[in-house]
Amino acid sequence: KQEVTQIPAALSVPEGENLVLNCSFTDSAIYNLQWFRQDPGKGLTSLLLIQSSQREQTSGRLNASLDKSSGRSTLYIAASQPGDSATYLCAGLYNFNKFYFGSGTKLNVKP
Amino acid sequence: DGGITQSPKYLFRKEGQNVTLSCEQNLNHDAMYWYRQDPGQGLRLIYYSQIVNDFQKGDIAEGYSVSREKKESFPLTVTSAQKNPTAFYLCASSIDPSTGMNTEAFFGQGTRLTVV
Repeated sequence: KQEVTQIPAALSVPEGENLVLNCSFTDSAIYNLQWFRQDPGKGLTSLLLIQSSQREQTSGRLNASLDKSSGRSTLYIAASQPGDSATYLCAGLYNFNKFYFGSGTKLNVKP
Repeated sequence: DGGITQSPKYLFRKEGQNVTLSCEQNLNHDAMYWYRQDPGQGLRLIYYSQIVNDFQKGDIAEGYSVSREKKESFPLTVTSAQKNPTAFYLCASSIDPSTGMNTEAFFGQGTRLTVV
């Protein structure tokens, strides 16, 4: 069974800091990796999708990388803002039909 | 305005009752999914469907049932056999992953089910 792990479970940083969220997966046969944001009591909002043939994707202040050989993905957030406070989840697509999720990193950006 | 609509937002179930959660999408996606989220945990797959009239069990299907009679709709029934149903339920859709790798999952806003 594929496992996706996110460490740390929670992170608190001052506003303006650059930060990195980590995602690791046990099975390198991943087809793509997707990063999501979840606000309390809400659904998931897609942030970035990296296909297995790609190494990174960028959207605004967000940059996500994928290293299949080491089983790792990172989400880099530049110049963090209080509005970035949320839980961030990563998910890997396997076997063309199943997404496996990490348990998330809860981010708090302090003003 | 394309997206996924889940209803109701909050649902209360009495012991021994079956309840049905609605999920509708107008994204023309073939694949649809149901996940369960418990506090502090990741999402666990209950059922998924890649095409109309076909669906597969996920990792925690016991006590749940689904149907896929229309492309747009994938309702989830939580049966009385599910002993711990209190959780946040999320529905998602994507293009059929078997058609290629550019598969992005889109989620609804969730239904919070509570046993009373």
